[in-house]
Amino acid sequence: GAVVSQHPSWVICKSGTSVKIECRSLDFQATTMFWYRQFPKQSLMLMATSNEGSKATYEQGVEKDKFLINHASLTLSTLTVTSAHPEDSSFYICSAGPTGGAAKNIQYFGAGTRLSVL
Amino acid sequence: GQNIDQPTEMTATEGAIVQINCTYQTSGFNGLFWYQQHAGEAPTFLSYNVLDGLEEKGRFSSFLSRSKGYSYLLLKELQMKDSASYLCAVRVNNAGNMLTFGGGTRLMVKP
Repeated sequence: GAVVSQHPSWVICKSGTSVKIECRSLDFQATTMFWYRQFPKQSLMLMATSNEGSKATYEQGVEKDKFLINHASLTLSTLTVTSAHPEDSSFYICSAGPTGGAAKNIQYFGAGTRLSVL
Repeated sequence: GQNIDQPTEMTATEGAIVQINCTYQTSGFNGLFWYQQHAGEAPTFLSYNVLDGLEEKGRFSSFLSRSKGYSYLLLKELQMKDSASYLCAVRVNNAGNMLTFGGGTRLMVKP
C-alpha cells in the first residue's frame, strides 16, 4: 500500500508553546489529507480536511485559529497546535490516499503523534 | 450525518473464529472500510467493500449488505497478535475520501 509519514511521533511541550506536526505522502501525491484526534480508548474524530493550495475545512467545534493547517504542496500537510494547553494533549493522526491507481479508494494513516502538554 | 455502531469489546480464544459486526445509517453510501489499530499505533487498512458480498483476504474476510446497512469483519484462526481495536468506517458521496469512523471494537484474544 501507499506510505504516509508523520513526524514527530512523540512531543512533550510546555503550556503556551506551539507544536508543528508534519504529514507527508511518500510515494504518491495527495490533494487532500485528513487530520484526526484520538483520546485513549476512543475512536478517531475528524478535525479537518486539508486541501492543497486552499483553506482547510474544519469540523464543527474545531477552532481553526487553534489548529492551523497548511497544505502547501501535494505531498505535505502540517498541523500546528498553537498556544498548547494540557487539554490539547492527545494522539493526532493524519491520513491520505492516492487519487489514482489500484489504491485510489484507500486512506492510509501516518504513525500518529502523541502530544503531551505540561 | 452518519450513525455507525459496533460492539465496544469482544473476547475470543486463540485459534477460533470471531465476527465483528458494524451497522450504519447514512445517505449517499459510497464504501465501507475496516481498519485494525493496535494500542498506541495508527490504524492499518484491512478491507474495503462497496458492493454487496464477501471479500476474502487471507485470514480476514469482510461482508457488506447495503440494503441492510450492515457489514461484518470475520477473523479466522485467531492469533494473539490479533488483539487490537477494529474500526469500521463509512465513506459517503460528495465527501471525497473523508471517512467517518465507528467507535471501534476492542478484541481480546485469549490463549
